[in-house]
Amino acid sequence: DVKVTQSSRYLVKRTGEKVFLECVQDMDHENMFWYRQDPGLGLRLIYFSYDVKMKEKGDIPEGYSVSREKKERFSLILESASTNQTSMYLCASSSANYGYTFGSGTRLTVV
Amino acid sequence: AQKITQTQPGMFVQEKEAVTLDCTYDTSDPSYGLFWYKQPSSGEMIFLIYQGSYDQQNATEGRYSLNFQKARKSANLVISASQLGDSAMYFCAMPHRGSSNTGKLIFGQGTTLQVKP
Repeated sequence: DVKVTQSSRYLVKRTGEKVFLECVQDMDHENMFWYRQDPGLGLRLIYFSYDVKMKEKGDIPEGYSVSREKKERFSLILESASTNQTSMYLCASSSANYGYTFGSGTRLTVV
Repeated sequence: AQKITQTQPGMFVQEKEAVTLDCTYDTSDPSYGLFWYKQPSSGEMIFLIYQGSYDQQNATEGRYSLNFQKARKSANLVISASQLGDSAMYFCAMPHRGSSNTGKLIFGQGTTLQVKP
């Protein structure tokens, strides 16, 4: 009954590495989102996509890029990981304004 | 600008008692909705309850209910008969202005609830 799947629960990467976080949904949702979650700051939107190959910047896109080649898959890319990108990353999908379905999150540590 | 505020960073409640988690919002949209999500220590965000701004009655979903006061712009979550499994972080959220097609949400800072045995 898994609906939104994030490829890794825990990830440890080195500074400067290129990091890919993958998210797949099986609900045929148009919209997909990447958030990062930090203590005291809540969830902040990095990027979102409302259609294949379409993307829009969220509130904190610096240092990140995304890719959506297929409707079900939305990838978050850290071009050159830095320690300040250590965080919890949450992927979500939605159809219009019916709320999100979230993945289980990826806790990324950059050392 | 739109904003969601959760003023309680952390709360404690005794098992079997009721607890209210506060959420206030600011929007100029005439029609909007409020969502509540639960995030256990495992990390996954779980949808709990939704209230539309034009709904006549407060939303309820099992032990969860929304105390929606439109004039005060508050949408507090009430959990009745708290259980140990309710210990988690709780987030209030609403659609971003102009996001009718994208479904983009903005979130509050979250409230950590601990249920004591």
